[in-house]
Parts: sequence; C-alpha cells; structure tokens
Amino acid sequence: GQNIDQPTEMTATEGAIVQINCTYQTSGFNGLFWYQQHAGEAPTFLSYNVLDGLEEKGRFSSFLSRSKGYSYLLLKELQMKDSASYLCAVWPSNDYKLSFGAGTTVTVRA
Amino acid sequence: NAGVTQTPKFRILKIGQSMTLQCTQDMNHNYMYWYRQDPGMGLKLIYYSVGAGITDKGEVPNGYNVSRSTTEDFPLRLELAAPSQTSVYFCASSDSTGPSYNEQFFGPGTRLTVL
Repeated sequence: GQNIDQPTEMTATEGAIVQINCTYQTSGFNGLFWYQQHAGEAPTFLSYNVLDGLEEKGRFSSFLSRSKGYSYLLLKELQMKDSASYLCAVWPSNDYKLSFGAGTTVTVRA
Repeated sequence: NAGVTQTPKFRILKIGQSMTLQCTQDMNHNYMYWYRQDPGMGLKLIYYSVGAGITDKGEVPNGYNVSRSTTEDFPLRLELAAPSQTSVYFCASSDSTGPSYNEQFFGPGTRLTVL
C-alpha cells in the first residue's frame, strides 16, 4: 500500500501564504493529485503533478519531487473561501485507484 | 453534463434495515468508485469498477455490495445496516483515456445515519 502523510490542521491569516506538505511511500508512482473539499461538500480537483517541479494555477501551485516522495500545495493571497480540507492523493503505478491522505484542514482567519 | 449524481442526499436508517445508494454519471467514464468518509477522516475505498459487469472490493467492503449493469450506473447496497456504517458516502468516476485520465469526479455525497 501507500503511506501518505499530511498535517491535520493549519491556520493562516487572510492574504498570507500557506504551504501544505504531503509525503508518500509507494512501490511505484504515476502521479499525485490535490483535491479541495469544503465542509459538507464533495472533493474537487485542484492539480495533478506527474513530473518533478512546480505547476502554477493562479493563486494555487503544486510541487512534486518524485525522488523524495514529497509534494506540497502552496496557497497564496489566502481568502476566507480557501478555508477547506486539502487532500493529497497518490496514483500508484500498475493501478488506476488513487490512495488518499487523511486531508489537511486549513482555516483562514481575518 | 450533470457529472456524477447521487441519491438520496440524506437518509436515516434503523439497525438491520437495508437500502441502496444510487450513483449515475453522464461522462461515459469506465471507472467508478464508492468511498466512505467518516468525520475528520480521509476517503476509504469500498468498491470500484472498471466497466459494466466488472466490480471489485476496495479497502472496506464488508457490509456492502455493488453492481454495474451499465456504464452510467453504479449502485451501492447496504444490507443489515449497522451504526458503524454511519458516514458520508461519495461516488466518483474517472476516465480511462484522454487528457483528464484518472482525474476523479465526485458526486455530492449521501449522508447516512444508522440508529
């Protein structure tokens, strides 16, 4: 299986930057997804990394290091609506099922 | 496209009752999944399917059954409901080809309470 580790909770101020780390151990690796889940709602896709490096999408960026088994999601210029849980999901090789981390709850304070 | 739809949105069951959670997707995705999410926890895979007529167990299949008679529909059956099955259930689907290959699209969820 895959061991996926991400912090349980993070708190930040509106306008600030927060970095959510995700480490994983897997015997084979295709890529890594980040999902956002607002309370009481379904997860929605944020980003997908397959190669090493940074992928930027507006205020959100995601980084991957395959050799280190490490990814992070960077949220810039935080807004109140960014308060949500952020799920890291690993796509192992030789499979199509994703393994999800437990999620990081981000609270944005005014 | 409606995407992934689930019914019902909420349900309260008594211990020992049975029910079927419905899931339909209109994106012609081959892969479909059922997850449960307990409060403050991640997603646990219950069952999954790679196409019509093919299903397989995930991490936590006990107490559940599925069927996949069409590409669009993937119902989840709970037999003899137990309080441990109180959870939020999400259905998801993903494409087996194309630019969004394996990105999972989730339904809105069914909130189930077993008393």
